[in-house]
Amino acid sequence: AQSVTQPDIHITVSEGASLELRCNYSYGATPYLFWYVQSPGQGLQLLLKYFSGDTLVQGIKGFEAEFKRSQSSFNLRKPSVHWSDAAEYFCAVGAPQGAQKLVFGQGTRLTINP
Amino acid sequence: NAGVTQTPKFRVLKTGQSMTLLCAQDMNHEYMYWYRQDPGMGLRLIHYSVGEGTTAKGEVPDGYNVSRLKKQNFLLGLESAAPSQTSVYFCASRDRGQNTEAFFGQGTRLTVV
Repeated sequence: AQSVTQPDIHITVSEGASLELRCNYSYGATPYLFWYVQSPGQGLQLLLKYFSGDTLVQGIKGFEAEFKRSQSSFNLRKPSVHWSDAAEYFCAVGAPQGAQKLVFGQGTRLTINP
Repeated sequence: NAGVTQTPKFRVLKTGQSMTLLCAQDMNHEYMYWYRQDPGMGLRLIHYSVGEGTTAKGEVPDGYNVSRLKKQNFLLGLESAAPSQTSVYFCASRDRGQNTEAFFGQGTRLTVV
């Protein structure tokens, strides 16, 4: 069965600094990968997704993620964070077989220092 | 276009009481899901449905039942609530396909005392 690990529970960065959130997945083939963001008290919103092609994908709000098959990773990056990026971020994986299910990581809470 | 709507948004139950959470989507999506979110645990899949009249168990199905009598609605039932079911519950829906985006409701905060 597929699984997702987000090693960092909580990350704090200063406004304007760069950001990288880690995501590792476990699956025997190339999965479908997603990053979602959850603002306090809200539901989840899709930032970006990868399913084939270019391994560097662009998303909304200036985020990007890179799929690295050799490392089973799909890390989320942003060159310069804004205070409004403070939220919880979830990586999710869907398997090509039985792709109806999305499995989520534990989440990474991002705090922005002014 | 409302997207995914969950009812109610908040609820407090006493141990042993029952309740039903309603999820409604207006996007004609085939797939619907119920997740629970607990601190440090991420989102864990309770049950899901790949079409009207079908349901399947997720990671943590015990203590919950679901029904999908209409394509647009997915109900989550708690027959006898327990304090361990205190959580935030999210419903999501997706269109048919392997790489489609899941759309989430705003969540239901349930407290069982």
